[in-house]
Amino acid sequence: SQKIEQNSEALNIQEGKTATLTCNYTNYSPAYLQWYRQDPGRGPVFLLLIRENEKEKRKERLKVTFDTTLKQSLFHITASQPADSATYLCALVTHSGYALNFGKGTSLLVTP
Amino acid sequence: SAVISQKPSRDICQRGTSLTIQCQVDSQVTMMFWYRQQPGQSLTLIATANQGSEATYESGFVIDKFPISRPNLTFSTLTVSNMSPEDSSIYLCSAEEGEETQYFGPGTRLLVL
Repeated sequence: SQKIEQNSEALNIQEGKTATLTCNYTNYSPAYLQWYRQDPGRGPVFLLLIRENEKEKRKERLKVTFDTTLKQSLFHITASQPADSATYLCALVTHSGYALNFGKGTSLLVTP
Repeated sequence: SAVISQKPSRDICQRGTSLTIQCQVDSQVTMMFWYRQQPGQSLTLIATANQGSEATYESGFVIDKFPISRPNLTFSTLTVSNMSPEDSSIYLCSAEEGEETQYFGPGTRLLVL
């Protein structure tokens, strides 16, 4: 069966450290993968998109890697800040469609 | 980026009744989507709403239960019909703007008693 798995346990890190979140998928052939941020009571907000032929994408303090052999994407936030505390969702789109297939998300807490 | 609003933001409904959720986008968009997010679960796509044609429903979702309208390029509605407590969830609409990026509304939090 198809699965998109993200760390179910919350990730707690200290301010200034790098947060690394993992997204693993099974039985998908993704055309591209996206990362979203979701705050409580709000809709997801788009952060980054990475295509199947790309290894790495950066945007300010954010970095995403994509390894189609390992079937895994890593999402890094460098120099983390308490304002980065939120749930982060990965979502992928396959070659056969346009629908976003979401993981359950990982909750990140950055403490001062 | 598109700004999306939803009404109502939350509601408490009795079982057997129906609720219509409205989604307004501040710009014209081709594709709009409706998702459900149940507690502790991932977002699940209910259907894709295209202007001028019938909505396309994902497996497990049917038009009789979740009728959708898309009268123009900036507006869509989702109705949750004949509600039961299992329909308690957050319902989100989104719109695709530009290349492969979706923008989401704030969601409608529904509780069915």
